[in-house]
Amino acid sequence: KQEVTQIPAALSVPEGENLVLNCSFTDSAIYNLQWFRQDPGKGLTSLLLIQSSQREQTSGRLNASLDKSSGRSTLYIAASQPGDSATYLCAVKEGGSYIPTFGRGTSLIVHP
Amino acid sequence: KAGVTQTPRYLIKTRGQQVTLSCSPISGHRSVSWYQQTPGQGLQFLFEYFSETQRNKGNFPGRFSGRQFSNSRSEMNVSTLELGDSALYLCASSSKLSTDTQYFGPGTRLTVL
Repeated sequence: KQEVTQIPAALSVPEGENLVLNCSFTDSAIYNLQWFRQDPGKGLTSLLLIQSSQREQTSGRLNASLDKSSGRSTLYIAASQPGDSATYLCAVKEGGSYIPTFGRGTSLIVHP
Repeated sequence: KAGVTQTPRYLIKTRGQQVTLSCSPISGHRSVSWYQQTPGQGLQFLFEYFSETQRNKGNFPGRFSGRQFSNSRSEMNVSTLELGDSALYLCASSSKLSTDTQYFGPGTRLTVL
């Protein structure tokens, strides 16, 4: 059974710092991995989608990498801003079944 | 394009009742997935529909069911509600089956008393 772990569970940083959020998964036979952000009480917003054949994706200040062999993905946030405060979730879709498994998320607070 | 819409946004029910939640995907999207989010279990996959057919199902009891209509709108039904069914129910749509970026709705907050 696929298990997805996100470290750290919570993070509080001053504005302007560069951040790294980690996501690890136990079964490397994945189809893709997606990073989301969730604001309190709301739905998820897709940030980046990495297919299993890809190593990284970039969007603005965000960069996500994928290392299937080690079962890890990292989300890099450059020059963090208070508006980045949210919970960040990673989700792994298994090859074959395509059933997604989510991590518990990293709760990020960026203070001015 | 309009985003994914879910109705109702909030719902209060009592144990033993049943409930139906609705999801309208982004125009042109044919895949709709449902998720349950609770503080204890996190975000868990319920099922996915594509072209009116259930393609995947998560590990939930048969009280949880769904369907998709020809216009891709989807409904989720929970029968014989239990206190533990209190959760945020999220719907997501994508243009392709299982393989594309998912776009989430705002969710329906269900409270079971």
